[in-house]
Parts: sequence; C-alpha cells; structure tokens
Amino acid sequence: GAGVSQSPSNKVTEKGKDVELRCDPISGHTALYWYRQRLGQGLEFLIYFQGNSAPDKSGLPSDRFSAERTGESVSTLTIQRTQQEDSAVYLCASSLVGIGTQYFGPGTRLLVL
Amino acid sequence: EDQVTQSPEALRLQEGESSSLNCSYTVSGLRGLFWYRQDPGKGPEFLFTLYSAGEEKEKERLKATLTKKESFLHITAPKPEDSATYLCAVHAGGTSYGKLTFGQGTILTVHP
Repeated sequence: GAGVSQSPSNKVTEKGKDVELRCDPISGHTALYWYRQRLGQGLEFLIYFQGNSAPDKSGLPSDRFSAERTGESVSTLTIQRTQQEDSAVYLCASSLVGIGTQYFGPGTRLLVL
Repeated sequence: EDQVTQSPEALRLQEGESSSLNCSYTVSGLRGLFWYRQDPGKGPEFLFTLYSAGEEKEKERLKATLTKKESFLHITAPKPEDSATYLCAVHAGGTSYGKLTFGQGTILTVHP
C-alpha cells in the first residue's frame, strides 16, 4: 500500500517569504506528526495530531510555525517569514494510533536563502 | 527531560565484521523504544519496536535488545548494503503523548 507522501520534495525560498509543506498520511492512520531534521542532527519533534483532539504543539520553535490537519487526512505545515535557520528537512510521519509505530515520509528539503 | 544518546557517532566495519550500536536513554516511563534506518536523502525506515526490558527482536542480520537503561542493535556479518544511519527513539509517558525523542544517530559504513 501507499506510504506517507510529502510535497514538495525540495523547496528553495527567500528569507522573509512564507512556505507551506504538505503531508498525506497512510490511509486509516489517525495520528500524524511533524519533525524537523537539521543537517547532521537528530529529529526534532514539532507537532502531533490525534483524531479530533487538540494538537500537541509543544515542539513548535516559534509562533512563525503553524500546522493544520483536515480530519484524519492531509496536513500542512506553514512557516511564516522564513529565516535561514529554518533550513532543514521537514519530515512527516503517521501511525495507526497515537502510541503506535510511526512511519515516515521522504521529507521536504527546505533551503532559505 | 527525556534524553537519548547513541554511540558511537560513526562506525566503520569490514564486510562480515560483526558489531553493536548502543542507545542509552533516560525517560519518565518508557512506552516503547524504536530503531530506524535512514539512507541519505530519505526518511527514516522502521526496523524494530521494543517495549520491555529483556525483549529481543530480529530481522535478517539485525538484532535489537532492550534493558532498563539502554538498547543495543547487533549487526551480524554486515554487508555494504547495511551502510546507513541508524536512529534510536523513545516514546515516553508524560505530557507530550505522541512525541518520539530521537538520538543523534550512528553512521554505519560497511566496506567490501
């Protein structure tokens, strides 16, 4: 079956511009997660959606970052007024339930010039 | 605060030379420990989940074990295609229910 998909695969933007990153989870998975991976570093948790519950936003680094999810389907991560330190790979994962194994997409590589 | 430390940072092996990767963790109530493999330019690929001390899981040349403080990923007779970054992550209790806390990873290179 289809895995987690993300788009775009690569994004180059100028400092100060807004960007939107998209994630399509595995069908039927109720939980969805966003992580950030800076070059040579481990994955950093950003946000977690579980069904209709309020999302866990505890990992968002600033108020320039926000995310939405429509029901149990697509999610978008928005970064406003991008900064060079936002350059990273943004990874999306989904799991069948909130404490289940998380399956990752290929990531979106964001470069802020 | 939950912490995960992986060692070594990088490991070079000859084909067929068995070894182990270490993942030490400090968490408030372990719900699960996960091993992932990540190839360059790709997302992490799930390998194993371990839930309790003493548990072991195997897949081809890989075997993961778990104690109350650490996990090991044993690689038996590795091949060049096993070269990748291996990531360890923990799912802990507490307020961030869905979050995985990752280690920095071990970069494994297997030479033919």
